[in-house]
Amino acid sequence: AQRVTQPEKLLSVFKGAPVELKCNYSYSGSPELFWYVQYSRQRLQLLLRHISRESIKGFTADLNKGETSFHLKKPFAQEEDSAMYYCALIRGGNAGNMLTFGGGTRLMVKP
Amino acid sequence: EPEVTQTPSHQVTQMGQEVILRCVPISNHLYFYWYRQILGQKVEFLVSFYNNEISEKSEIFDDQFSVERPDGSNFTLKIRSTKLEDSAMYFCASRARYEESSYEQYFGPGTRLTVT
Repeated sequence: AQRVTQPEKLLSVFKGAPVELKCNYSYSGSPELFWYVQYSRQRLQLLLRHISRESIKGFTADLNKGETSFHLKKPFAQEEDSAMYYCALIRGGNAGNMLTFGGGTRLMVKP
Repeated sequence: EPEVTQTPSHQVTQMGQEVILRCVPISNHLYFYWYRQILGQKVEFLVSFYNNEISEKSEIFDDQFSVERPDGSNFTLKIRSTKLEDSAMYFCASRARYEESSYEQYFGPGTRLTVT
């Protein structure tokens, strides 16, 4: 069965510092990976998906199949980046396309 | 921008009672999902629904759970006889056809279910 691991429950950085939120997955096939974000009192929303290879709000994430990782990075953190971040996986070719989530990392950006 | 809505935002019920959680997905979406998150734990998949039938369900989704799309807009999750361990935040999500949005799922704000 597939699994997503986010080793850090909490990551605290100062404004302007680089940020890396770690995500590792286990799945024998070709997954699709996502980062979802949940700001305070808001709903889960998609931040990034690996297939689009885009940068959103300064965040990027590269799928490393050799290391089975999909770490989220931002060179200069902003206070408004403070939120809960969830890495998630969809199994390739799965018609139902259920998301398997990691446990989440709370990012706190201090002024 | 269209959003998934869920009602109620908070439901308190006694053990053994039936509850129905309601969701209104985005109108042109075709795939519907329920997830739950017990406090302090991961968001877990419960069930997916497409073309008026369940397409996948997890081990959590046992005979006590059912889903229904009674009309063209609502998508409901029923728990027949609630247990204390059903206390959680329940999220509804929907998505369009793959060609329109890849696999992006849009989430509702959640219903917090408290079983006493």
